[in-house]
Amino acid sequence: GAGVSQSPSNKVTEKGKDVELRCDPISGHTALYWYRQSLGQGLEFLIYFQGNSAPDKSGLPSDRFSAERTGGSVSTLTIQRTQQEDSAVYLCASSLDSGGSADTQYFGPGTRLTVL
Amino acid sequence: AQSVTQPDIHITVSEGASLELRCNYSYGATPYLFWYVQSPGQGLQLLLKYFSGDTLVQGIKGFEAEFKRSQSSFNLRKPSVHWSDAAEYFCAVAVYNNDMRFGAGTRLTVKP
Repeated sequence: GAGVSQSPSNKVTEKGKDVELRCDPISGHTALYWYRQSLGQGLEFLIYFQGNSAPDKSGLPSDRFSAERTGGSVSTLTIQRTQQEDSAVYLCASSLDSGGSADTQYFGPGTRLTVL
Repeated sequence: AQSVTQPDIHITVSEGASLELRCNYSYGATPYLFWYVQSPGQGLQLLLKYFSGDTLVQGIKGFEAEFKRSQSSFNLRKPSVHWSDAAEYFCAVAVYNNDMRFGAGTRLTVKP
């Protein structure tokens, strides 16, 4: 595709339910990132994939959060037993992985998660 | 600790006026520097980036930014603001792919 796509665009769920957020990166981009943007705040780094592996999971806020990436492409961010404080916009980005330096990240439109 | 500071939470300028958005960073090494714009309900769009070389970089939509090593700053400028520039602007810095840090953002309002 032309850009990073995310689905769903909006998700409303009840507290305690599990949710899955999907990200389709730009074709050929080997690096993939998840961020969280809470109301009125900047972007909070969650996790980074290099291919299918996640060398850095330090940003995941709790063990309720997990992410996977298969086939070096699509990634899923799963939040178990959602809490109201999980309400935020979840942004996905991808980049070419030139190795050893910071590449330009291209962002998707985000998934707005609301936990009631 | 690595940090990015955007001192101005909200700026209002008149259409046609000049604009400068401030960004300061604290890093152990000279990082790569980025400015992104986020329009309501949309993802982030890259305006410009600095990796090395000329410290004045040109971006899209008439924006430019200047890297000043001595001040650890990377301020964004535009000589004449258009109403369509109203958005949230984020400064970001990174050394590696997994350490990009974003500022809290500056919301720009443009008065007619």
